[in-house]
Amino acid sequence: ETGVTQTPRHLVMGMTNKKSLKCEQHLGHNAMYWYKQSAKKPLELMFVYSLEERVENNSVPSRFSPECPNSSHLFLHLHTLQPEDSALYLCASSQAPRGGYPNEQFFGPGTRLTVL
Amino acid sequence: RKEVEQDPGPFNVPEGATVAFNCTYSNSASQSFFWYRQDCRKEPKLLMSVYSSGNEDGRFTAQLNRASQYISLLIRDSKLSDSATYLCVVNGGSGATNKLIFGTGTLLAVQP
Repeated sequence: ETGVTQTPRHLVMGMTNKKSLKCEQHLGHNAMYWYKQSAKKPLELMFVYSLEERVENNSVPSRFSPECPNSSHLFLHLHTLQPEDSALYLCASSQAPRGGYPNEQFFGPGTRLTVL
Repeated sequence: RKEVEQDPGPFNVPEGATVAFNCTYSNSASQSFFWYRQDCRKEPKLLMSVYSSGNEDGRFTAQLNRASQYISLLIRDSKLSDSATYLCVVNGGSGATNKLIFGTGTLLAVQP
């Protein structure tokens, strides 16, 4: 596997379900990100992990819970979601910023989530 | 005011045309600027970084005007394969270097 992979690619869940999204990067990066992309809206940054420490939590509801067990893996645990949470969830990775400048972020293909 | 604003388009242009996209950003502390490209139902990919002096990569030219908080992307000699959504991206300023803020994107459709 190369680049950034995400599983599953598609997920349909009910509002009472619990599921997890998985992201894995094979690029030797040390920062990972979760984004949400809804129709007609810009990508919204949800969480940032840099050197396995969460450095950004962008006012995301607690029904989304991230986990970063090591620099190559990132999870997004989902529970009691709402229909408005239906969106494309993208994972990205990069080298952590140096000298105050961000590095290129590489994105995975995303998980298309539908909440019924 | 949106943090990053772009004309959503669509821009429908014939092959070989020159097309320009504009973008404005609201945070004067932003220090890094990018153009990403996103094909339909695919993930965003970096097209080019934008440097203060302006920079060119083949048919693509990016310009930055810090005083006006304005970024542009010029595509010359458009190809069918250039059809995509172009995302203007800025970082969140000195206290939020990791944070990239995306515009909604400008859709380009190059016609044969």
